Amino acid sequence: DGGITQSPKYLFRKEGQNVTLSCEQNLNHDAMYWYRQDPGQGLRLIYYSQIVNDFQKGDIAEGYSVSREKKESFPLTVTSAQKNPTAFYLCASSIDRGSLTTDTQYFGPGTRLTVL
Amino acid sequence: QQQVKQSPQSLIVQKGGISIINCAYENTAFDYFPWYQQFPGKGPALLIAIRPDVSEKKEGRFTISFNKSAKQFSLHIMDSQPGDSATYFCAAIFGNEKLTFGTGTRLTIIP
Repeated sequence: DGGITQSPKYLFRKEGQNVTLSCEQNLNHDAMYWYRQDPGQGLRLIYYSQIVNDFQKGDIAEGYSVSREKKESFPLTVTSAQKNPTAFYLCASSIDRGSLTTDTQYFGPGTRLTVL
Repeated sequence: QQQVKQSPQSLIVQKGGISIINCAYENTAFDYFPWYQQFPGKGPALLIAIRPDVSEKKEGRFTISFNKSAKQFSLHIMDSQPGDSATYFCAAIFGNEKLTFGTGTRLTIIP
């Protein structure tokens, strides 16, 4: 069963604590992405990675960190520096064919993080 | 700077009617325009996509109309059904750059 898995589906944390969201894909995709979704604001890119051991900041990277040690995994850490971390977090992946073409991004089911 | 503007924010359509969602973009370098469908509590799923070398693409009840000169594209859902009730996002991308999403349209189909 191929796809993108995110765990857990719901996550609660106390203010000031770091929390790591998991994202795993078995699609053999090169590129992986993290988005944040808030009501009425669409999807905003946090970080993305096109190859292992390399990643770039997206539009709203402050207060977040990522790692890409394996092709299949792209965990996101929400740090205590993130001012408003409560949101729905979505992971996505795509084949990266370089600069010539674009491939579709496939999304995971999301993790809803609530900071109390 | 919002490079893809989507309207309306919400839309209510009667069952069997046509749902129309519009998007406008600014970057003329965009070369791929996907539409995503998202149900509550789920991740977005690719619905249909178009490249600017065609003016229309149809898949079942879903059609994308593309107007390159006006820098606009729209999603039409024919014979709308209650199961189509979801949030729809348009998006645009150039090469292998990051996707730019519209702000979403919450579509509700009423009996």
